[in-house]
Amino acid sequence: DAKTTQPPSMDCAEGRAANLPCNHSTISGNEYVYWYRQIHSQGPQYIIHGLKNNETNEMASLIITEDRKSSTLILPHATLRDTAVYYCIVRVAGSGGSYIPTFGRGTSLIVHP
Amino acid sequence: KAGVTQTPRYLIKTRGQQVTLSCSPISGHRSVSWYQQTPGQGLQFLFEYFSETQRNKGNFPGRFSGRQFSNSRSEMNVSTLELGDSALYLCASSLASGGAYYGYTFGSGTRLTVV
Repeated sequence: DAKTTQPPSMDCAEGRAANLPCNHSTISGNEYVYWYRQIHSQGPQYIIHGLKNNETNEMASLIITEDRKSSTLILPHATLRDTAVYYCIVRVAGSGGSYIPTFGRGTSLIVHP
Repeated sequence: KAGVTQTPRYLIKTRGQQVTLSCSPISGHRSVSWYQQTPGQGLQFLFEYFSETQRNKGNFPGRFSGRQFSNSRSEMNVSTLELGDSALYLCASSLASGGAYYGYTFGSGTRLTVV
C-alpha cells in the first residue's frame, strides 16, 4: 500500500540534470520524505530526506512543495552510473504503532550518453 | 566503517525445507528491518526489530519469523519453503526505528532460490 506515486520510467542525457517527481499527497504533517536508489542487484542506497525545506547534499537536491504534497529529486549532472531505480518513500504506521518505510515501484532512470 | 553484512549471498533450497538468513547491522545501529524483493511485488516489508523487540510486522504468513540478539545482529527464518519464496531478502539497519531521520543502510541482500 504505497503512499507515493512516481512515473515508472524516465531518461536523461549524461551531463544534464535529472528531475524525478513524486506525489505524496497523503503525507502526514510530521513525516519526512525519503529518497533511495537501487542499482541492479544491489541493496537500495539512501540519497536524501526532507520535511518541508529544500535540502541538498553531495548526491542530490530535494525540492518539496509548500503544501508538502509533492517533491522533486534533482541530480544536477547525471552520469551513466546514476542509472538506477529511484524510490520516493514516506513512512506509514505499522502494526506495532511505529512507522515503517513503504516502498512503491519507483522510477527507473536511464542515463544515456 | 563496516556496512551492513548479510550472509549468505546466495542460497538454493528445496521446497519444504527451512532457511535462516543472517544480518549484521552497522555498529551502533539498534534497528534492523527485513524486506523481501521480487519482480512481481517489489520491495515488501517483513518485520523490524529494535533492541531485541519486534516493532512491526508486515503482511506475511507465520512461516516467516525473525529475531534480534543483544549485539543487534538479526536472523530471519523461513520454514516450509515454497517456490514463491524465491526472492532477494534485504536487511536494513538504522539508528532510529523505521529509518527515521537518518534513513536506512541496506545490505547487499541474500538471493534465495527455492527449487
